[in-house]
Amino acid sequence: QKEVEQNSGPLSVPEGAIASLNCTYSDRVSQSFFWYRQYSGKSPELIMSIYSNGDKEDGRFTAQLNKASQYVSLLIRDSQPSDSATYLCALGGFKTIFGAGTRLFVKA
Amino acid sequence: ETGVTQSPTHLIKTRGQQVTLRCSSQSGHNTVSWYQQALGQGPQFIFQYYREEENGRGNFPPRFSGLQFPNYSSELNVNALELDDSALYLCASIDDRRTGELFFGEGSRLTVL
Repeated sequence: QKEVEQNSGPLSVPEGAIASLNCTYSDRVSQSFFWYRQYSGKSPELIMSIYSNGDKEDGRFTAQLNKASQYVSLLIRDSQPSDSATYLCALGGFKTIFGAGTRLFVKA
Repeated sequence: ETGVTQSPTHLIKTRGQQVTLRCSSQSGHNTVSWYQQALGQGPQFIFQYYREEENGRGNFPPRFSGLQFPNYSSELNVNALELDDSALYLCASIDDRRTGELFFGEGSRLTVL
């Protein structure tokens, strides 16, 4: 049974700071990892995918994957109030398994 | 916009009733998954269809059933509704060429009274 663990938060950071969101997973053979952003009352939207160890950058977002430690993280640089949302870590595969999400608040 | 549409967006039912939720996937996406998301929780996998056949199921009872049609539409049926079925139901269209990235519809929020 694959599991994905996230700190539920809330994580509060000031505007302009770096927000760091973390996720651990139990399935050693997983090959694909995703971060979804979900605004209150809305559906999740994909913001990052990562498949190999190391960092992947896309604009203000950086995903980091360490398969040996079974750890994936998301860094948001220059955080904006519009980044306030719940961030869901997900493990891909035959079926995608989601963590419970971390709520992020960016204070103006 | 993900190109995935769901209906209805909101509905209220009473215990014991039945409900059908509908989804229209992106053209060309042969796989569709359905998820249940309770308040404050992550989405939970209900089942998945590939070319009109169920090919994966999560830990949900048989009263949760589905269908997928050739025109990329699908539906989720829930019989004998219980209070705990109150949740956001999400349909996700899957681009098989992009290693399983999910494209969600806006969801159907079901309230069971």
